[in-house]
Parts: sequence; structure tokens; C-alpha cells
Amino acid sequence: AQKITQTQPGMFVQEKEAVTLDCTYDTSDPSYGLFWYKQPSSGEMIFLIYQGSYDQQNATEGRYSLNFQKARKSANLVISASQLGDSAMYFCAMRLHTGTASKLTFGTGTRLQVTL
Amino acid sequence: DTGVSQNPRHKITKRGQNVTFRCDPISEHNRLYWYRQTLGQGPEFLTYFQNEAQLEKSRLLSDRFSAERPKGSFSTLEIQRTEQGDSAMYLCASSLGGDVYGYTFGSGTRLTVV
Repeated sequence: AQKITQTQPGMFVQEKEAVTLDCTYDTSDPSYGLFWYKQPSSGEMIFLIYQGSYDQQNATEGRYSLNFQKARKSANLVISASQLGDSAMYFCAMRLHTGTASKLTFGTGTRLQVTL
Repeated sequence: DTGVSQNPRHKITKRGQNVTFRCDPISEHNRLYWYRQTLGQGPEFLTYFQNEAQLEKSRLLSDRFSAERPKGSFSTLEIQRTEQGDSAMYLCASSLGGDVYGYTFGSGTRLTVV
């Protein structure tokens, strides 16, 4: 079975600063994908970034980067130059690539608040 | 195409009533997923369709829940004999199958059972 752990229920960051949101995962499967989603108060889940377990380089997407440490089973999200609009819930998720596995398994999320 | 559309946005129902939600995915996406999210939790997987075939169902999906995707386009999720524990946000997502593009979620249907 797979599990995602997000140990930070809430985080504060000042505008224009960088922030790291933690995510650790647990699986014995060698092939999997890791995702980060943003959920603003409107409720929609917005896809931010993806990292495959065999990808050699850490994923980057604009101000978002994923600090992937396979041996530690961690996939932390780094947001650079925070903006007020980044205030939202952030979810880490994983999908196994074995068999017909299709579902995303989500963590409990981290609420990020960007302050002036 | 404006993304994944879910209707209604909100639904209040009395315990014991049946409810049906609709999801219209992005038209070229052949994969469709339903998730349930309760307060303070991440979304939990309910079921998955590839085209019109329902390929995976969670054990969370009791006999009172049924989902369909006729003709591989829109999908419906029906809950029969609703219970207060069914109160949650029901999210629909669609994808082309390549993880690198992520899954596109709708804004969800918030169900309140009173």
C-alpha cells in the first residue's frame, strides 16, 4: 500500500520569500509518480508539478520546483518568490505505475498563508 | 474547452434521499476519476473510468454508490439512501493518461446531508 505524509498543517511565508512544503511517501514499488496540487478556497485542485521516480533531474515549473530525494522518500515542494495568490492548501500525491494502478493517493495537505 | 465541469456546485439533501452528480470532462480526455474530500483531508479515490469502462473501484464505494460513464463522455455519480457521513466534496478529474500533464480537476460538488 502507498502512503503520503505531510507533517506541516500550516505554514506562513512573507511575500517574495521562498518556502518549502514537506512531503514524504512510502511505497515498495520501484515505479511511481509524485504530484503537487494547489487547492484555493474555490475548491478546484490545480496541478502544479510532477516528478517520475526514474527522472534523473528534479522537476521545475516556473516558480515551483520539486526537491526529490529518492533514498529519503521525500518530494518537497519549493515555491520561490511567494505571492499573495499562493495562499492556499497544497497537497502532495502519488500514483503507482504498476499494473492497472490509476488512483492518486493524497496527503492531508499543508495550508500556506503568504503575508505582506 | 474550459476544463472539467461539475454540476451542481452545491447540493443539500435530506437523509435517505438519492442524489446524482454530473461531471463533464475535457473532451479529448479518455480517463475520468471520482474522488471524495472531507474537511481537513486530502481527496480519496472512489472510482476510475477509461472511456466507458469502469476499471477500478475503491472499497470506499459502498453498494449505495454507483457511477456510470455512458459513451465515454460525461459521467454521473449516484448516491442512494444518503447518510450524514456522505457529506463531503465530490471531485471529478480527467486525464489523457500521461502523468506529466497531471490530472485536471473540476471545482467539485459539495454535498450536505441533513
